[in-house]
Amino acid sequence: AQSVAQPEDQVNVAEGNPLTVKCTYSVSGNPYLFWYVQYPNRGLQFLLKYITGDNLVKGSYGFEAEFNKSQTSFHLKKPSALVSDSALYFCAVRDMVGSARQLTFGSGTQLTVLP
Amino acid sequence: AAGVIQSPRHLIKEKRETATLKCYPIPRHDTVYWYQQGPGQDPQFLISFYEKMQSDKGSIPDRFSAQQFSDYHSELNMSSLELGDSALYFCASSFGQGAQPQHFGDGTRLSIL
Repeated sequence: AQSVAQPEDQVNVAEGNPLTVKCTYSVSGNPYLFWYVQYPNRGLQFLLKYITGDNLVKGSYGFEAEFNKSQTSFHLKKPSALVSDSALYFCAVRDMVGSARQLTFGSGTQLTVLP
Repeated sequence: AAGVIQSPRHLIKEKRETATLKCYPIPRHDTVYWYQQGPGQDPQFLISFYEKMQSDKGSIPDRFSAQQFSDYHSELNMSSLELGDSALYFCASSFGQGAQPQHFGDGTRLSIL
């Protein structure tokens, strides 16, 4: 079975400060990991993914994520937050070798960037 | 760039009625996924199709069925609707079933009165 945990329901950060949204995962084999962002009444928008290779993955809108196999984590980061980054962020996992191809999502983290 | 198109965007039904949700994937995407997102919840996987065949099944109630057509669009058919079916229903598409990311539509908000 695969699962994702996002330990923080809410993250607040001041504009211009770095932000981190935490995610840990559990899979039987090696993971495919994804971050999505959701704005109100909109679908999930793909930000970035980790499949293999460099542990630091760069994605859309200046976001990046660091894969840490020993800690089974895939935290989302951005060096300088913008007010427009305020949204709901979901981490998702798929087991690379499992038969299930669907994504399992974390519970989401509401990011609020304060001006 | 073309995105996943879902229709309708909003749907209001009464208990015990039926509903059909449609999804048009990104061109050349051959895999479609359906998810249900309740209020304040994360998306829950319902069912997926690859090359017009069901590939995986999640927590889809027996009252629901889905299919993918020859043009790769998909429909989610929901019968005997219950109050608890009120949710946002997302369709996502991808090219293949490997590591390619799933791209989501804006969803259909289904409200059951």
